[in-house]
Amino acid sequence: GQNIDQPTEMTATEGAIVQINCTYQTSGFNGLFWYQQHAGEAPTFLSYNVLDGLEEKGRFSSFLSRSKGYSYLLLKELQMKDSASYLCAVIPPGGYQKVTFGTGTKLQVIP
Amino acid sequence: EAQVTQNPRYLITVTGKKLTVTCSQNMNHEYMSWYRQDPGLGLRQIYYSMNVEVTDKGDVPEGYKVSRKEKRNFPLILESPSPNQTSLYFCASGSRTGGKLFFGSGTQLSVL
Repeated sequence: GQNIDQPTEMTATEGAIVQINCTYQTSGFNGLFWYQQHAGEAPTFLSYNVLDGLEEKGRFSSFLSRSKGYSYLLLKELQMKDSASYLCAVIPPGGYQKVTFGTGTKLQVIP
Repeated sequence: EAQVTQNPRYLITVTGKKLTVTCSQNMNHEYMSWYRQDPGLGLRQIYYSMNVEVTDKGDVPEGYKVSRKEKRNFPLILESPSPNQTSLYFCASGSRTGGKLFFGSGTQLSVL
């Protein structure tokens, strides 16, 4: 099975940088997703990490260390619209039919 | 435009009255899945399907049914809804070869 841990809530200031961590314990690993979800809306895809290292995509970057069971999402130049929940999800071997989502980190961006 | 279409967006019903939430995707995806989302519990998988006529239970299947008669459609059926099924529901689809999951816009269900 999979066990995923993320902080429940975080607060950061507009224009700053914030790092959202995700740790997981799994019986196998085949990749990790990060999704953004505004309240009451559908999750939207941010990143997909399979190999160790940092993947950068504009203001958002995602890092993965498979040996440590650890990932983080880095958001730079925070904007008010970044206030949302950020979901970490682990894909087991065999594909995402059994993908497990963390409970999400609710980020509040303040002026 | 690639999308997952889910209906209705909001639904209020009473205990025991059968209902169906529809889900359709236009990307020829093999994989489709239903999730429910409750405060503090995150997204939990109800059922999934890897292809036509192939469905399997997720983590919380009790009280739900699904069918996959066509590749594009994956309806969620609640034969006898109960108040503990009040939740936000999402349909998702993806390619068998991997990549990101696409989500529908969600259905907020209230069972009174």
